[in-house]
Amino acid sequence: QVQLQESGPGLVKPSETLSLTCTVSGASLTTYYWSWIRQPPGEGLEWIGYIYYTGTADYNPSLKSRVTISIDTSKTQFSLRVSSVTAADTAVYYCARLPAALYFTFDVWGQGTTVTVSS
Amino acid sequence: QSVLTQPPSVSAAPGQKVTISCSGSSSNIGNSYVSWYQQLPGTAPKLLIYDNNKRPSGIPDRFSGSKSGTSATLGITGLQTGDEAVYYCGTWDSSLSTVVFGGGTKLTVL
Repeated sequence: QVQLQESGPGLVKPSETLSLTCTVSGASLTTYYWSWIRQPPGEGLEWIGYIYYTGTADYNPSLKSRVTISIDTSKTQFSLRVSSVTAADTAVYYCARLPAALYFTFDVWGQGTTVTVSS
Repeated sequence: QSVLTQPPSVSAAPGQKVTISCSGSSSNIGNSYVSWYQQLPGTAPKLLIYDNNKRPSGIPDRFSGSKSGTSATLGITGLQTGDEAVYYCGTWDSSLSTVVFGGGTKLTVL
């Protein structure tokens, strides 16, 4: 059974860098694409980006200048970094699996982790 | 303002049927597959429908999806109180070069 678990600081100061990690169990990182999605309080879903095990990544153009997604297949983890954060980056951050055979469909999600940007 | 437009809320009685619409354009729904997700209170979204009308293993056939032109629809029959959730549609937008989601529809089972 595939499981994804997000981890990282719950509080980040404005202008600093947000860093999260998603640990995958029950699936090989080399078989799928892996993605990050966030949800601000009381709002809808926003796609952040995805990465393939080769390191190929693509990002939401609205966030591209501040976002980096990386992958470590030896640790079965992939990570998210968002630089120069503001209060607008406060959200629940989800990691999700993105099968290549399914067209931009996220079939397994982590439980999510809440990140608050505040001084 | 979401790229895909969903009604903010719908409601129906237990046992009844409800449909949730998702309206887009030729750069997203019109030229792509649509997925639907269910988000129960306090939980992560869960995939309900993919490729417009396919159900993942374990999703009951009470849930169905369809697409016509630049709109998609999620149908739920035999409503149960446990279906109370927010439902999102999602797809790829080729003009924006990003995955886009609807704003979400809150289903109330009266």
